[in-house]
Amino acid sequence: DGGITQSPKYLFRKEGQNVTLSCEQNLNHDAMYWYRQDPGQGLRLIYYSQIVNDFQKGDIAEGYSVSREKKESFPLTVTSAQKNPTAFYLCASSIEAGGLNEQFFGPGTRLTVL
Amino acid sequence: AQSVTQLGSHVSVSEGALVLLRCNYSSSVPPYLFWYVQYPNQGLQLLLKYTSAATLVKGINGFEAEFKKSETSFHLTKPSAHMSDAAEYFCAVSRGGSYIPTFGRGTSLIVHP
Repeated sequence: DGGITQSPKYLFRKEGQNVTLSCEQNLNHDAMYWYRQDPGQGLRLIYYSQIVNDFQKGDIAEGYSVSREKKESFPLTVTSAQKNPTAFYLCASSIEAGGLNEQFFGPGTRLTVL
Repeated sequence: AQSVTQLGSHVSVSEGALVLLRCNYSSSVPPYLFWYVQYPNQGLQLLLKYTSAATLVKGINGFEAEFKKSETSFHLTKPSAHMSDAAEYFCAVSRGGSYIPTFGRGTSLIVHP
């Protein structure tokens, strides 16, 4: 079955640590996205990538970094510079970026800072 | 710039009652509009999308939405609510080109027995 996988489902981090969230898709989609979800705030775009080896900052990129070395993979690193990282993180992909192309979402990773 | 407003962070209905979730958009060009559903601790799933082919769009699970340009609205409806419809619903707007969709803040649908 084609889809998007995210791991781990739950992640705990100590203050000052960097952590990396995994996102893999086998849909052969060019575009991939990372969103942060907080209660009552909807989805906020962190980074997106329209093609391999290229990515752009979203609305809340500070304290986060990404890479896109392979079409299937778009890992997100939450750095110690992110002051309030506790949130639900969603990865998504689409055939191409934007337009009428719907996004396919992974199951999410819930990050908690201890 | 484009934006989406979802009126009501929570909507409560009785099982069997009409479901109406409101979405208004702002766009300087013809928009593409989407409704997604999110069940607890899961990712989002597409319910339906408007791409200008027809103003009344039918989606999965008995949901439909009507695009009204004059009202800049794309409200989501379902004639009869089921307990299984309890979830968070998100409206999103996009446009042609590589524009990244903008999401509303979401509406939590509560269904009472």
